Amino acid sequence: AQSVTQLDSHVSVSEGTPVLLRCNYSSSYSPSLFWYVQHPNKGLQLLLKYTSAATLVKGINGFEAEFKKSETSFHLTKPSAHMSDAAEYFCVVSARYSSASKIIFGSGTRLSIRP
Amino acid sequence: NAGVTQTPKFQVLKTGQSMTLQCAQDMNHEYMSWYRQDPGMGLRLIHYSVGAGITDQGEVPNGYNVSRSTTEDFPLRLLSAAPSQTSVYFCASSYRAEAFFGQGTRLTVV
Repeated sequence: AQSVTQLDSHVSVSEGTPVLLRCNYSSSYSPSLFWYVQHPNKGLQLLLKYTSAATLVKGINGFEAEFKKSETSFHLTKPSAHMSDAAEYFCVVSARYSSASKIIFGSGTRLSIRP
Repeated sequence: NAGVTQTPKFQVLKTGQSMTLQCAQDMNHEYMSWYRQDPGMGLRLIHYSVGAGITDQGEVPNGYNVSRSTTEDFPLRLLSAAPSQTSVYFCASSYRAEAFFGQGTRLTVV
């Protein structure tokens, strides 16, 4: 079984400062992990994904995430926040080698950017 | 590429009415699923399918039915709508655990 916990429901940072959105996962199988972003009244956009190989994953818009198996974490970071980053972010887990694995979402983190 | 197409985008129903949310994908993915999104609760899995003729329940299946007669289509049926089913619904198809989402259906039950 898989589960995912996003540790913060809301994060607020100033423009130009670093962003950290935290995600912990639990999986009985080798996990695939994803971060999705949802802007207000929009659909879901894939930011980045970890499926194997490199544990540091780079995504779109300057975001990256590091898979840490020992800590069961997959935190999302960005060195410098931009106003356009304000959105809801979802951490997602699934079983890597299964084409029929359930895809489980975290409850989301709302990111606000202060001018 | 059409990807995953959901219809309608918006719908208002009266309590007790029935309706079907349509979902179609053109990527030949075996796995399809339906989620509902409510504030502060992320996306919760309603039903999913691992191939034509095979469906199973997710986390919140009550009040919803699904069928999968073809690989392409995975409709979600509300048999008797209730105000608690007011939500945004997303359909997804998946390949190797990466999900591709439709644009969502905003459903209001009054």
